[in-house]
Amino acid sequence: EDQVTQSPEALRLQEGESSSLNCSYTVSGLRGLFWYRQDPGKGPEFLFTLYSAGEEKEKERLKATLTKKESFLHITAPKPEDSATYLCAVQGTGAQKLVFGQGTRLTINP
Amino acid sequence: KAGVTQTPRYLIKTRGQQVTLSCSPISGHRSVSWYQQTPGQGLQFLFEYFSETQRNKGNFPGRFSGRQFSNSRSEMNVSTLELGDSALYLCASNRDNGDTQYFGPGTRLTVL
Repeated sequence: EDQVTQSPEALRLQEGESSSLNCSYTVSGLRGLFWYRQDPGKGPEFLFTLYSAGEEKEKERLKATLTKKESFLHITAPKPEDSATYLCAVQGTGAQKLVFGQGTRLTINP
Repeated sequence: KAGVTQTPRYLIKTRGQQVTLSCSPISGHRSVSWYQQTPGQGLQFLFEYFSETQRNKGNFPGRFSGRQFSNSRSEMNVSTLELGDSALYLCASNRDNGDTQYFGPGTRLTVL
């Protein structure tokens, strides 16, 4: 069965302090790995889709990378508005459903 | 381009009642998926509809059902509500399998 584990569960950083979030996965044939950001009481907001090992994507202060077993979301010089829960999900080949990790709750202190 | 919309945003029901939630996908998206989000279990897949047919189903009891209309709008129904059904119900749409799923704001259901 497809599984996703995210670490750490929670991370507190100072503004400008760079770090990385981890997403480890097992899936029977990867169709895509997805990163979402979720603010309290709102639906997940799409960030990135990665399809194959070695792929990287960037958006502002965020950069996502993918290997055959895990993905990293690197946050460079974060700002308080980057505070949110970051969710990782995988989709297996032939499946529509996304399998989500429990998320990493990120807090950026000014 | 308008995003995924869900109505109502908040619902309070009592045990034993039934509830219907509505989802309007992004224009041009034919696939609608439903997820349940709770603090303990996280986001879990309920089912997916494509061209008015249920194409995939998660591991939820038969009390959870859904349908899709010809304009791709979707509804999900939960009958005989239980306290454990309290959750944020999220709808996501995409063009088809493999495409990125875009989520709506969710419906917060509280069962008393």
